[in-house]
Amino acid sequence: DTAVSQTPKYLVTQMGNDKSIKCEQNLGHDTMYWYKQDSKKFLKIMFSYNNKELIINETVPNRFSPKSPDKAHLNLHINSLELGDSAVYFCASSQASGLAGVGNEQFFGPGTRLTVL
Amino acid sequence: QKEVEQNSGPLSVPEGAIASLNCTYSDRGSQSFFWYRQYSGKSPELIMFIYSNGDKEDGRFTAQLNKASQYVSLLIRDSQPSDSATYLCAVKGSYIPTFGRGTSLIVHP
Repeated sequence: DTAVSQTPKYLVTQMGNDKSIKCEQNLGHDTMYWYKQDSKKFLKIMFSYNNKELIINETVPNRFSPKSPDKAHLNLHINSLELGDSAVYFCASSQASGLAGVGNEQFFGPGTRLTVL
Repeated sequence: QKEVEQNSGPLSVPEGAIASLNCTYSDRGSQSFFWYRQYSGKSPELIMFIYSNGDKEDGRFTAQLNKASQYVSLLIRDSQPSDSATYLCAVKGSYIPTFGRGTSLIVHP
């Protein structure tokens, strides 16, 4: 009965490869997010979708492409992986995406540790 | 550039003491404020959220918000060794949530 799940948990790959990370939430939330947490633990938003529509795209290289087939799923595909892509990627969801108020609290998945060799 | 600033620490307190974690933010339009706890190797876990000026209490945790000073804090009463973790402050103005770099808290027996 995991609320936000991600697969895989660990991903080790060579430079130049293409890989995908999957995320699913069973909370009935409308909004989903992808975050990157670097080695210094800085958590930075990459993308957000609200009900399958992209609402946040934060200066991320176009090698990263999110896809939301439905509001319960948000996948992340990465082309031509680089050493600097090594990080932990967190998926999160929230009920709302608006300015303020109840429902903006985010719930995080367990993370995917990506290592590019 | 919207910024959220936290002292990286570590903040070391004895068991049973009050731990005080602070956060300042640059965007005056921010309206939602969150505290997350992150244990090493784990994902961030929501502890508290606050939207209005003043204090909000939940068990041993109290969040304090002062929008005029652009300051939000988290107090942990009766600190326990299990509270040792990194505490992330997050601020939301428009659609984009911004996280601070976190404060490492160590509660020693």
